[in-house]
Amino acid sequence: DVKVTQSSRYLVKRTGEKVFLECVQDMDHENMFWYRQDPGLGLRLIYFSYDVKMKEKGDIPEGYSVSREKKERFSLILESASTNQTSMYLCASTPAGSGANVLTFGAGSRLTVL
Amino acid sequence: SQKIEQNSEALNIQEGKTATLTCNYTNYSPAYLQWYRQDPGRGPVFLLLIRENEKEKRKERLKVTFDTTLKQSLFHITASQPADSATYLCASGRGDSSYKLIFGSGTRLLVRP
Repeated sequence: DVKVTQSSRYLVKRTGEKVFLECVQDMDHENMFWYRQDPGLGLRLIYFSYDVKMKEKGDIPEGYSVSREKKERFSLILESASTNQTSMYLCASTPAGSGANVLTFGAGSRLTVL
Repeated sequence: SQKIEQNSEALNIQEGKTATLTCNYTNYSPAYLQWYRQDPGRGPVFLLLIRENEKEKRKERLKVTFDTTLKQSLFHITASQPADSATYLCASGRGDSSYKLIFGSGTRLLVRP
């Protein structure tokens, strides 16, 4: 019963390319998140969205943008990929008003920028 | 700044023993702590939540404690099995309208058969 689906598990891109990472959830959650995970640094929040077309910057938004045109879909965009954006990207969702923000994560997208 | 710290060294234990993982927080008082399990190449999976007014929570072989005096949460797996081998992440939340969680970098657990 897959609930948060990240369409690309592994991607290899060149420096300067535009990269789209797609995430879809089937739980009707209002809130969706994009994190990146790097060894020794834990999960760091890039952007989150609390409603369609609404977004807020997380802790490391530089070099990224997001799109949420439909409730179930949250996309992360790297306008011009750089080598320091090589990382594991994790999408997550949680219902609004849960009070404890328990996240359901996707399987992750491993991005390598050459 | 607000920080969550977990032991970066792997914990290596014998099957059947109790594994104890530590999560320390500094410079703030979280309203709750969460523990997740992450297998290699996969996303984290939620295990347990404990709130600041709770001392202990249990779920099957899992137990988590929250000590606001020591600013620490302990995560225990009793009767550990090789299948428990994974990285365990601690995360904290403020409990207000903020959706932001602060994650530790995780502790890898290896259970030897």
